[in-house]
Amino acid sequence: QSALTQPASVSGSPGQSITISCTGTSSDVGAYNYVSWYQQHPGKAPKLMAYDVTERPSGVSNRFSGSKSGSTASLTISGLQAGDEATYYCSSYTTGSTLVFGGGTKLTVL
Amino acid sequence: QVQLVQSGVDVKKPGASVKVSCKASGYSFTNYGISWVRQAPGQGLEWMGWISANNGNTNYAQKFQGRVTITTDTSTTTAYMELRRLRSDDTAFYYCARSPPVVNRVDYWGQGTLVTVSS
Repeated sequence: QSALTQPASVSGSPGQSITISCTGTSSDVGAYNYVSWYQQHPGKAPKLMAYDVTERPSGVSNRFSGSKSGSTASLTISGLQAGDEATYYCSSYTTGSTLVFGGGTKLTVL
Repeated sequence: QVQLVQSGVDVKKPGASVKVSCKASGYSFTNYGISWVRQAPGQGLEWMGWISANNGNTNYAQKFQGRVTITTDTSTTTAYMELRRLRSDDTAFYYCARSPPVVNRVDYWGQGTLVTVSS
């Protein structure tokens, strides 16, 4: 199972919106609505930010929103804040009943 | 609150085995599964495998088949991950994380355990 494809880096200014893409195949992202997103600050464990494409765990800001079209999922962060600077990973359930992660996207808030 | 507390740093020689533990609390242990995810220094997340805490069913990433074993002890609500025939490129942080009965995501994560493989 190959890793999902994410851009290595994205950037934006405070207050702006950015979108991170996550491209898979018909065996993972395209097969199920089971895409999740995780935020990881340096030296910390990842934190779940969105699941089942569009759902947010309790306590996660509504500035984070997920979507999917075909085999590509996206995470949009609106109203960028300095604290959003982190690395973001997507994951998807697969037809092999496994989980696969993306390579990660480093978000820089300018 | 959900907590996953992992065992401490470990240093192993190439060819050895390592067993990392993950003590769960704050939820009904057998209603969920536990996934293991690793992260080499400066690298991304890699899913290794999953176990149902309800019935002990497991599923492993193809890359680790035959080299990893994930188990649980429901009496102590603890999960374990054993990785055998260690190589230097197995040096990484190893995380346990709670998964639903179908491993479509991980939600709560342990603090991570650094395993260093060096001669």
